[in-house]
Amino acid sequence: TQLLEQSPQFLSIQEGENLTVYCNSSSVFSSLQWYRQEPGEGPVLLVTVVTGGEVKKLKRLTFQFGDARKDSSLHITAAQPGDTGLYLCAGALTGNNAGNMLTFGGGTRLMVKP
Amino acid sequence: KAGVTQTPRYLIKTRGQQVTLSCSPISGHRSVSWYQQTPGQGLQFLFEYFSETQRNKGNFPGRFSGRQFSNSRSEMNVSTLELGDSALYLCASSGRAGTGELFFGEGSRLTVL
Repeated sequence: TQLLEQSPQFLSIQEGENLTVYCNSSSVFSSLQWYRQEPGEGPVLLVTVVTGGEVKKLKRLTFQFGDARKDSSLHITAAQPGDTGLYLCAGALTGNNAGNMLTFGGGTRLMVKP
Repeated sequence: KAGVTQTPRYLIKTRGQQVTLSCSPISGHRSVSWYQQTPGQGLQFLFEYFSETQRNKGNFPGRFSGRQFSNSRSEMNVSTLELGDSALYLCASSGRAGTGELFFGEGSRLTVL
């Protein structure tokens, strides 16, 4: 069982549709990150959320951190083929000398068809 | 600013051999972390180094080890390779402690036959 559960695992949609990816845990995180990974490359950081209830927007992407800092969501508006990739949530647990030790979710593989 | 550089990009080894992977972080970054990525387990934390000291270690056997040099470059070593060690090994550097904001390299893809 993953500490961070992502859903859905796979998502195939048409260009222009909206979608939401969820990242849930029973643990509290001091911060949560979303990364996107394309084939043959390493993950690229999209956003960091730190405060419970925080909402951040990055163009057509909206990220939300749950009030209790246990869950997060990523919403994409009017998806485009360039959004295709593996979306990963990752969190730093509270109470540890966590440094930059992250726990990753299993990922959501998104395909946006033109 | 040059990104994180990992070498080699691809390598094939046989069971029982050992392997050393190298990582050069972004200039000025003192934190270097290593992750293993497999289709079944996803991304799993191996260890983190900061100023030549191991700051955190994941739940991997002692066959997995690492070190960091004074110029922040890092290496990881896997001894007595097993088939299950086949994976993409990702190195990430960070310029700010405790933020979780990592800059990843492209990875070293290890295949163990």
